[in-house]
Amino acid sequence: DTGVSQDPRHKITKRGQNVTFRCDPISEHNRLYWYRQTLGQGPEFLTYFQNEAQLEKSRLLSDRFSAERPKGSFSTLEIQRTEQGDSAMYLCASSPTDEAYNEQFFGPGTRLTVL
Amino acid sequence: DAKTTQPPSMDCAEGRAANLPCNHSTISGNEYVYWYRQIHSQGPQYIIHGLKNNETNEMASLIITEDRKSSTLILPHATLRDTAVYYCIVRVVSGNTPLVFGKGTRLSVIA
Repeated sequence: DTGVSQDPRHKITKRGQNVTFRCDPISEHNRLYWYRQTLGQGPEFLTYFQNEAQLEKSRLLSDRFSAERPKGSFSTLEIQRTEQGDSAMYLCASSPTDEAYNEQFFGPGTRLTVL
Repeated sequence: DAKTTQPPSMDCAEGRAANLPCNHSTISGNEYVYWYRQIHSQGPQYIIHGLKNNETNEMASLIITEDRKSSTLILPHATLRDTAVYYCIVRVVSGNTPLVFGKGTRLSVIA
């Protein structure tokens, strides 16, 4: 257990529905990342927060995706009008801002299945 | 795109050393070599990182060649619990740079 938690662990939804995932990072970590991982591939970066500010978004993050970190603590990732191609593992990671120790701590992920 | 090349899979006998290679011929002077691993159905886990000197911690050793174009992760006494996908990543250590994962090496430790 890294101290990063994600909820839910599994989500099955029908195409066209909206889904929201939550990530609770390690409490003293300012940086929070979202990644997506499809079967047989390594994780791919989606977006990054420093405190409550969303500082970087990947081109993978289409208009149907939105992420928030309203108080600089937990974060949510929402997918609107889900498509079958959204089926993947969604991973959250956090890290401290200490430049000398830039390890990212990953949560267990939320596995999304879109039927 | 990932800046590293790794073999897709390797086997290792339990109790023996596992040596996982990684090529990173285009590494820049300010980029470190990081290793993460991902056990089935879990998130990736940090193992070790280094710039140019060899590094060792309680999990593994990292050997970086003098020209920094390749490295080897060594698990000195592999156990069944070390079966995982191992990712070699190059990145600058400062700032907010996200991790860029390739497909990694699937290590199978065999009893």
